[in-house]
Amino acid sequence: KQEVTQIPAALSVPEGENLVLNCSFTDSAIYNLQWFRQDPGKGLTSLLLIQSSQREQTSGRLNASLDKSSGRSTLYIAASQPGDSATYLCAVEGAPGLYSSASKIIFGSGTRLSIRP
Amino acid sequence: EAEVAQSPRYKITEKSQAVAFWCDPISGHATLYWYRQILGQGPELLVQFQDESVVDDSQLPKDRFSAERLKGVDSTLKIQPAELGDSAMYLCASRPDRGSYEQYFGPGTRLTVT
Repeated sequence: KQEVTQIPAALSVPEGENLVLNCSFTDSAIYNLQWFRQDPGKGLTSLLLIQSSQREQTSGRLNASLDKSSGRSTLYIAASQPGDSATYLCAVEGAPGLYSSASKIIFGSGTRLSIRP
Repeated sequence: EAEVAQSPRYKITEKSQAVAFWCDPISGHATLYWYRQILGQGPELLVQFQDESVVDDSQLPKDRFSAERLKGVDSTLKIQPAELGDSAMYLCASRPDRGSYEQYFGPGTRLTVT
């Protein structure tokens, strides 16, 4: 059974620092991995999606990497800003479970990021 | 830019009452998901539709929850009767059949059961 872990649960850094958020998963047979941002009380906003055949994706100050063999993904945020404060979640899509023909999407619990001005 | 719509945004109900949530996915998106998110945790899939068909409801508490997507467009999730433990954010997401595999989420419905 796929398990997705995000450590640490919370992180606070001063403005301007570069930082890395971590996501690990137990089953390397994944189709893709997606990073999301969630502001308090809101829905999820997609940041980056990495297909299983890719090693990384970039969007602006964000760079996500994927190492399937080690079951790890990282989200790198360059030159952090107070507006980056939010919870960041990763989600892994993999093979169907026992009771369904649909691929399974499993989320981590997220890392709550706070950028201090 | 097209968005996933959900209503209501907030709902307070008493336990044992019935409650319903509505979702309108992005036009043309065949796949629709309902998730439940408890505070401090990641979303957990409740049900997945492909067009009007349920393809995964293995995590849906079927004794009290039901979901439908009759015409393969918008969808309704119902809880009857609601229990205190159902208090959570209910999120709807959709994605297209081809091209990007990204999921697009709506703003969610915050349910409080008293």
